[in-house]
Amino acid sequence: EVQLVESGGGLVQPGGSLRLSCAASGFTFRSYWMNWVRQAPGKGLEWVANIKEDGSEKFHVDSVTGRFTISRDNAKNSLYLQMNSLRAEDTAVYYCGRTRPGATVDYWGQGTLVTVSS
Amino acid sequence: QSALTQPPSASGSPGQSVTISCTGTSSDVGNYNYVSWYQQHPGKAPKLIIYEVSKRPSGVPDRFSGSKSDNTASLAVSGLQAEDEADYYCHSYAGSNDFGVFGGGTKLTVL
Repeated sequence: EVQLVESGGGLVQPGGSLRLSCAASGFTFRSYWMNWVRQAPGKGLEWVANIKEDGSEKFHVDSVTGRFTISRDNAKNSLYLQMNSLRAEDTAVYYCGRTRPGATVDYWGQGTLVTVSS
Repeated sequence: QSALTQPPSASGSPGQSVTISCTGTSSDVGNYNYVSWYQQHPGKAPKLIIYEVSKRPSGVPDRFSGSKSDNTASLAVSGLQAEDEADYYCHSYAGSNDFGVFGGGTKLTVL
């Protein structure tokens, strides 16, 4: 059974940092692109970043470029999102997702809430 | 890149059918057969219900079907049930090195 479990969310002050983790199991992690997608309270889904199977390519949405960095450790079956210089508008539930061809996210984690507030 | 356009709401009575549209452009929906649909119940993670325009993952009832014409994709739900009440999001691929774009979401109410 495919499982994705996020952790690392919480309350952080504007300008602060957080590192989200996503532990994957039930599939060959190193064979899939992976994504982070977020959802602000009461809002829709927004793609944040994705990373190639071997980590050699990674892409971030413009609004987080230079502040967030996606990474992965295939030996640990884990996906990460380092978030720096956090802003109030980054407040959201962050989901990790396994990606199939065509950027379809076929499995989602349960999400972790990030709240940026003073 | 603009979000795909979905109606904010849709509704139907139990047993009825409802269709939700998702309009993009010739750069996304119209150019790729990689349209997917997600169902999200309150407080829960999204769940993939349609991928590659019309394919259903294992376990998704055949009451859910997808289609596409030109720049518009559609999700049809037949035989509406109470548990179908949820938010529905479409997504389209938009080319290499690009995750693509989501729709703004449609809240489906079962009357």
